[in-house]
Amino acid sequence: DTGVSQNPRHKITKRGQNVTFRCDPISEHNRLYWYRQTLGQGPEFLTYFQNEAQLEKSRLLSDRFSAERPKGSFSTLEIQRTEQGDSAMYLCASSTPRDSYEQYFGPGTRLTVT
Amino acid sequence: ILNVEQSPQSLHVQEGDSTNFTCSFPSSNFYALHWYRWETAKSPEALFVMTLNGDEKKKGRISATLNTKEGYSYLYIKGSQPEDSATYLCAFEGNKLVFGAGTILRVKS
Repeated sequence: DTGVSQNPRHKITKRGQNVTFRCDPISEHNRLYWYRQTLGQGPEFLTYFQNEAQLEKSRLLSDRFSAERPKGSFSTLEIQRTEQGDSAMYLCASSTPRDSYEQYFGPGTRLTVT
Repeated sequence: ILNVEQSPQSLHVQEGDSTNFTCSFPSSNFYALHWYRWETAKSPEALFVMTLNGDEKKKGRISATLNTKEGYSYLYIKGSQPEDSATYLCAFEGNKLVFGAGTILRVKS
């Protein structure tokens, strides 16, 4: 499968714990995006990378959130000291200039903070 | 704050019915309008990317139109089938994608 993959697909954690999610984009896609989707809402932009550079961060991304893409391939999103309000679906997408930057999405990681 | 609105919020139709959804978006700083279909437990799947006012696109039984001057797009499904059941998202592209909340479609056989 050459699509965008995300791991884990589901994560249940207790409030105050740290969690890390991984996204593997489509090979050779230079842009990678993270979104968060809560019940009844559409996906909301969190941040994006062009290669290894993090070019934009939403104000939604508090200090407890950090994202990395160290070698310009896979990316990780870490949430420290999780809160119940962090419960959401975290989606990753990737894109390339060849497709006019059309974004291809992964299946998401559903986080539940208890 | 960019506002992308979708209506209706949800829709229940019988197999064979035709249906349509609306997406409204800001008419300024427009670059593209995207439609995605998102089935439960799967990745959102791109349906259409529309850039020009008056654009009409079609994929099988699904088609979409775009009016950038008044800031709306319609998605049409002809002869709905149970496999069309999904959440349909539109996203306005200015300098990033801003999504609507989606329309949940349930097609009963």
